[in-house]
Amino acid sequence: EAQVTQNPRYLITVTGKKLTVTCSQNMNHEYMSWYRQDPGLGLRQIYYSMNVEVTDKGDVPEGYKVSRKEKRNFPLILESPSPNQTSLYFCASSLNKGIKKNIQYFGAGTRLSVL
Amino acid sequence: AQSVAQPEDQVNVAEGNPLTVKCTYSVSGNPYLFWYVQYPNRGLQFLLKYITGDNLVKGSYGFEAEFNKSQTSFHLKKPSALVSDSALYFCAVRDIDGDSSYKLIFGSGTRLLVRP
Repeated sequence: EAQVTQNPRYLITVTGKKLTVTCSQNMNHEYMSWYRQDPGLGLRQIYYSMNVEVTDKGDVPEGYKVSRKEKRNFPLILESPSPNQTSLYFCASSLNKGIKKNIQYFGAGTRLSVL
Repeated sequence: AQSVAQPEDQVNVAEGNPLTVKCTYSVSGNPYLFWYVQYPNRGLQFLLKYITGDNLVKGSYGFEAEFNKSQTSFHLKKPSALVSDSALYFCAVRDIDGDSSYKLIFGSGTRLLVRP
């Protein structure tokens, strides 16, 4: 089954404790992206990657890091989480060309609480 | 810069009645517009997109959207609502500035509540 898989689905942590949220897709998509969803603000892009070893900042990159060493994986790293990073996070992927270009497929989400 | 606006936080409709979820956009150039739906505890799912061609676009689950260039709108519609359509709906536009031609800019979302 074609899917985007995020882990963990739920995470409670404390300020300053490094964490990683993993994202993996099995559709051979070139493009991957991380979003955060906050009430009344819709989805805001954190980082994105056009392909392996190519990453760039989105609208709200502060406090986050990403890497794209393999095509299927795009982990989101919070080196020193703070309470304002409490949010619902989504990973998404899409093709870069063809009829399905720009149609993004989303993971189920990771709800993060930073105390 | 590209942007979308969803003027309604919530839309209430009775089952069997037609529904409309509104979206307006602001773009430079030709718009690439999308609708996504988010069910509880799930990620967003693609419903439909408009790139070019017919102004009425048909998508998944019986939804359609009407592109109106003069009103810069892309409203989502369904002739007969189902209780199972209750969800959060997002309008999005593709950002075409610079290299970020794959970036989607999302609206704030509209919660659709269909009453039995």
